[in-house]
Amino acid sequence: DIPVTQSPSTLSASVGDRVTITCRASESISTWLAWYQQKPGTAPKLLIYKASTLESGVPSRFSGGGSGTEFILTISNLQPDDFATYYCQQYKSSYTFGQGTKLEIK
Amino acid sequence: QVHLQQWGAGLLKPSETLSLTCAVYGGSFSDYSWNWIRQSPEKGLEWIAEIDHRGATSYNPSLKSRFTVSVDTSKNQFSLRARSVTAADTATYFCARARRQFGGIVAMSLTYYHYMDVWSKGTTVTVSS
Repeated sequence: DIPVTQSPSTLSASVGDRVTITCRASESISTWLAWYQQKPGTAPKLLIYKASTLESGVPSRFSGGGSGTEFILTISNLQPDDFATYYCQQYKSSYTFGQGTKLEIK
Repeated sequence: QVHLQQWGAGLLKPSETLSLTCAVYGGSFSDYSWNWIRQSPEKGLEWIAEIDHRGATSYNPSLKSRFTVSVDTSKNQFSLRARSVTAADTATYFCARARRQFGGIVAMSLTYYHYMDVWSKGTTVTVSS
């Protein structure tokens, strides 16, 4: 298992803001990292894979970066639909998820 | 467009067996691997197991050997069973497709990594006496 840790746990922001979520792996995972968005009562939705590749159909205001042990998810120009919980997941060795970052409206 | 639909008992008593099945509609069954993940407030998202169309499996070692996954390629379905459930198994269970990425050649072997790109809506399983 390779634990991954997200920060912050909660993030308050306004429509139009730019926010960043961080994910740290306990050891190097190269770029084998994905980001998901989850809204209450629904399944996680894939946003980004291989640390920075945007999944088809995902708005370009979402971007990812990083390699090794430190990764970021950036959401620019926040829209009302973006307020949700975000998870990172490493897939270099089995699969482990971060504990989630809840993005709330300020 | 691929769609995953799952079903199974939602209320179990302690020591009973959990049984869930996930059917895959649309897309290729053999080009992907197939996973079970659960989510609870206590443990968050937790990967349980993976299987491919040939029946090759891998499991989360922290969940011991209570879980078993199987595949039925004639129906494009895969299933999860867990024996001797306890209250700690109460969670929402998802099935998910994993897409393969080439990871290079490691020790003269082709290496692939998988990430989950399509998920089912999930089934809530409650274990209570």
